[in-house]
Amino acid sequence: GNSVTQMEGPVTLSEEAFLTINCTYTATGYPSLFWYVQYPGEGLQLLLKATKADDKGSNKGFEATYRKETTSFHLEKGSVQVSDSAVYFCALSDPVLGGAQKLVFGQGTRLTINP
Amino acid sequence: DGGITQSPKYLFRKEGQNVTLSCEQNLNHDAMYWYRQDPGQGLRLIYYSQIVNDFQKGDIAEGYSVSREKKESFPLTVTSAQKNPTAFYLCASRGPGYTGELFFGEGSRLTVL
Repeated sequence: GNSVTQMEGPVTLSEEAFLTINCTYTATGYPSLFWYVQYPGEGLQLLLKATKADDKGSNKGFEATYRKETTSFHLEKGSVQVSDSAVYFCALSDPVLGGAQKLVFGQGTRLTINP
Repeated sequence: DGGITQSPKYLFRKEGQNVTLSCEQNLNHDAMYWYRQDPGQGLRLIYYSQIVNDFQKGDIAEGYSVSREKKESFPLTVTSAQKNPTAFYLCASRGPGYTGELFFGEGSRLTVL
């Protein structure tokens, strides 16, 4: 079945460092791809998404490009802030019979930014 | 404001007891979902519902039950048959369209004593 693999965490960086969190996927069709962020004690929030190959999603300085040839959707940010400390989840849509969609999530990557 | 409300935020249960987690949304979304989150693991799908009076098992439905009597509400019952119920439970609804994103509640943390 479809699956998502994220780089192992935790990741610790200094403020203003460059961030990359790797995400690769396995899918039989043409899924949409998502990055969600979870702050401590909260639910998940959509950070960005891309719905077809070569699309670039961006939000709050974060970017990710849907690369079909490498089945990847890596998350990047040029200069991280302490407030970016959170857990980041890569996910893909998984259409099933009947039109419902399930999101398949990676295991999450905990990011800590030190001042 | 529109959104998803989960309650209670924290819940403690003795072994052998059933508990019900509430999930209400005022986003007018048709599809709703329950996920379970454990430390170091991603989210795993328990149940989902596309429309009122219809729901489907997800990947880890054993020991759980749901109902969908109203569009706005999708409660999850954790039964005594669930062997390891201590976890963080997240409810979500899906926006319109084929690529609709999921909107999540703030979660309910269940601890079995």
